[in-house]
Amino acid sequence: DAGITQSPRHKVTETGTPVTLRCHQTENHRYMYWYRQDPGHGLRLIHYSYGVKDTDKGEVSDGYSVSRSKTEDFLLTLESATSSQTSVYFCAISSGQGANQPQHFGDGTRLSIL
Amino acid sequence: TQLLEQSPQFLSIQEGENLTVYCNSSSVFSSLQWYRQEPGEGPVLLVTVVTGGEVKKLKRLTFQFGDARKDSSLHITAAQPGDTGLYLCAGYSTSNSNSGYALNFGKGTSLLVTP
Repeated sequence: DAGITQSPRHKVTETGTPVTLRCHQTENHRYMYWYRQDPGHGLRLIHYSYGVKDTDKGEVSDGYSVSRSKTEDFLLTLESATSSQTSVYFCAISSGQGANQPQHFGDGTRLSIL
Repeated sequence: TQLLEQSPQFLSIQEGENLTVYCNSSSVFSSLQWYRQEPGEGPVLLVTVVTGGEVKKLKRLTFQFGDARKDSSLHITAAQPGDTGLYLCAGYSTSNSNSGYALNFGKGTSLLVTP
């Protein structure tokens, strides 16, 4: 299995509080991704990174920010959490981008915003 | 916009039955990937199909890429309870950014195989 660790695995917090999720990889892969998975919507890309300090927005980036200060860590921050951000969040990594590149996923963070 | 439509959404069958799930799009993809996801875990890649008309086999699973590279199917022969899970197809499309590509996922087919 690809060395991807997401933390925390579960979190419950209140509306309006800041939340940071961490993704740590030991594969030295260049590309890292944050997705959210919701019933009826499937997996949707929030943000991704194509190198240290290089990030770009995905399909559902509003309300989220990311940072990547070193290759192995990709942080997802909800500046002021809302109930609509209750979801399961997955981090993924890939060694390259393009048609044939697979992505390897972590086991997810289940986030509940009350 | 959902580029990839999967059907059926849910499927419940008994052990030993055969089944086919579909992944369709109006867009052409240079390749499609199939993942399986079990409860509490992230998706795991099963296969990538690249060439139009390509057929790949993984034990009892057969994957086919349509000739026009707009659709794909997954056929499972003699399903077993261990096949239970969420099956996702995914393909790359060009994002709005100049920096790379975004992997688009279908919503998945949830398969339950009972003994």
